[in-house]
Amino acid sequence: DIVMTQSPDSLAVSLGERATINCKSSQSVLYSSNNKNYLAWYQQKPGQPPKLLIYWASTRESGVPDRFSGSGSGTEFTLTISSLQAEDVAVYYCQQYYNIPLTFGGGTKVEIK
Amino acid sequence: EVQLVESGGGLVQSGGSLRLSCAASGFIFRKYWMNWVRQAPGKGLEWVANIKEDGSESYYVDSVKGRFTISRDNTKNSLDLQMNSLRVEDTAVYYCAGGNSPDRWNWFDPWGQGTLVTVSS
Repeated sequence: DIVMTQSPDSLAVSLGERATINCKSSQSVLYSSNNKNYLAWYQQKPGQPPKLLIYWASTRESGVPDRFSGSGSGTEFTLTISSLQAEDVAVYYCQQYYNIPLTFGGGTKVEIK
Repeated sequence: EVQLVESGGGLVQSGGSLRLSCAASGFIFRKYWMNWVRQAPGKGLEWVANIKEDGSESYYVDSVKGRFTISRDNTKNSLDLQMNSLRVEDTAVYYCAGGNSPDRWNWFDPWGQGTLVTVSS
């Protein structure tokens, strides 16, 4: 199984400041034949289902604000919120879809400082 | 409007059974892999099972193999999860989620609102 490890577990950021969340996979999720990273990011607010933010490690889902960006390749990935807004308070998860079982990171809780 | 609506959750004793259903609308259901993803209270997300567009293949996380069965009816745009031999550790909100990607394995979108399954000892 591919183990996804997120860091930090939580972080507090001032409004308008940058938030950075890391995700590491226990093996590469880069598929060499198409040079794509099989990595997605989700946002989950309390009492709501997760919402897809990014797939292929860096492709923003339609309608997602451009302050959200994904980067990285192979085994190390980052979700960046460039200017934190109040509505971004949530738990963020990474997920690999390179292989079965599909696995998630443990989540990172983002709060306002 | 794309919509997934789960039903069938509830309270069941350890060792019991429950059948979850998910009704899909607003998208071409038969063209999507479909998944069940669960979330224990206060915990993270765990993929449970998925099923191919035509129902010919299905896969499970090890902890539910032999106890859970995923199925679908493309004529009714519905997805089911039959859960047998339930354990306390199966207690979670169960989400129905579409598998989105041009490849075999998917990211998850759309998602339902979830249904709570509570297994008591």
